[in-house]
Amino acid sequence: DARVTQTPRHKVTEMGQEVTMRCQPILGHNTVFWYRQTMMQGLELLAYFRNRAPLDDSGMPKDRFSAEMPDATLATLKIQPSEPRDSAVYFCASARTGGPGELFFGEGSRLTVL
Amino acid sequence: AQTVTQSQPEMSVQEAETVTLSCTYDTSESDYYLFWYKQPPSRQMILVIRQEAYKQQNATENRFSVNFQKAAKSFSLKISDSQLGDAAMYFCAYRSGFTNFGNEKLTFGTGTRLTIIP
Repeated sequence: DARVTQTPRHKVTEMGQEVTMRCQPILGHNTVFWYRQTMMQGLELLAYFRNRAPLDDSGMPKDRFSAEMPDATLATLKIQPSEPRDSAVYFCASARTGGPGELFFGEGSRLTVL
Repeated sequence: AQTVTQSQPEMSVQEAETVTLSCTYDTSESDYYLFWYKQPPSRQMILVIRQEAYKQQNATENRFSVNFQKAAKSFSLKISDSQLGDAAMYFCAYRSGFTNFGNEKLTFGTGTRLTIIP
């Protein structure tokens, strides 16, 4: 059963610490998305990759956030240093260019920054 | 930029009854896709139904159907015979039909929380 895998599921950390979230997209999917979900802002796109190249990271705070795809099976989202306002659920999603259009989501990583 | 609006933050329905969730969107594009996603308390985002803008026929998936009004830019979701398992947040989403640079992302509405009353 193909699915997007995200780790960790939950993370509690202190302000100022580095946080790394990982995502394994569905095999064969060449686009990967990072979304952040909060009560106030809803679902916001942070970054988007196609064939491992970043296409849109306009929603990502550049001073502390970074997103990469070291290879086709791994996407990472890093926050350094973390702040309490970064507390949210972070979703990774993947899709295949030219496919039906929907995104397949992971279960999300709930981040709490104290 | 495209926007998606869900004007009903919360809805409730009696079990076995029918409920309709509203969604409107704004776009200047002629080719696009619309989606409804369900997010239960487990927080997993689950695709409920998809509609291609070029198709005049409304999409249907079992108890779920849409009313797609392209001219009005409206895309409502009807849930028939509501079940307790339908309780969730429902998000309407838009995607461009032009998959060139940066257009494959989904733009989401703010969601509607659906409660099922036993």
